[in-house]
Amino acid sequence: EAGVTQFPSHSVIEKGQTVTLRCDPISGHDNLYWYRRVMGKEIKFLLHFVKESKQDESGMPNNRFLAERTGGTYSTLKVQPAELEDSGVYFCASSQTGGASPLHFGNGTRLTVT
Amino acid sequence: AQSVTQLGSHVSVSEGALVLLRCNYSSSVPPYLFWYVQYPNQGLQLLLKYTTGATLVKGINGFEAEFKKSETSFHLTKPSAHMSDAAEYFCAVRGRTSGSRLTFGEGTQLTVNP
Repeated sequence: EAGVTQFPSHSVIEKGQTVTLRCDPISGHDNLYWYRRVMGKEIKFLLHFVKESKQDESGMPNNRFLAERTGGTYSTLKVQPAELEDSGVYFCASSQTGGASPLHFGNGTRLTVT
Repeated sequence: AQSVTQLGSHVSVSEGALVLLRCNYSSSVPPYLFWYVQYPNQGLQLLLKYTTGATLVKGINGFEAEFKKSETSFHLTKPSAHMSDAAEYFCAVRGRTSGSRLTFGEGTQLTVNP
């Protein structure tokens, strides 16, 4: 089966610009997650979709971040306007229903804000 | 809320030596436990998981981990390190209640010396 796909793999933007990250989950996985790793720190939860609904968005840093999952398939994460501290690797993951189901991660998008 | 502590941000072993990566968790009830590995320029890959039953779980690439409730630990081991094991390893926990998020430790970078 195809894994979780993220696009782009790298993005370099200037402070104040907008960037949109995309994630295509494994087909049939209702759960989709976004995580972020800022350099040198732990991987932190951002939000969780169940199908097209936001189950938990308590990890979103601020209102400059907007995540969508229209139709319950792929998801986008938009950062507008980007700040220097937004730099890091953004991971997307998907899973089947059930807490014991492991998360399957994409390769991540490395975002650099200059 | 769950938390995870990985003892040692960097571990270095010789090829052929035992690998031991430590993980302790904090949770009101035993959670689901996972180990993920990240090879350079790749995403997170599931190594193994503990959900229920046998407390010694075997994963891919010769790794195994033992869940010890009394010690709230889930240490990862491999009897004989290989050069290809060099990567970053993450311990993660997830509560057994619906909607619980996956929480990561800070990661342990494993170096294997020839």
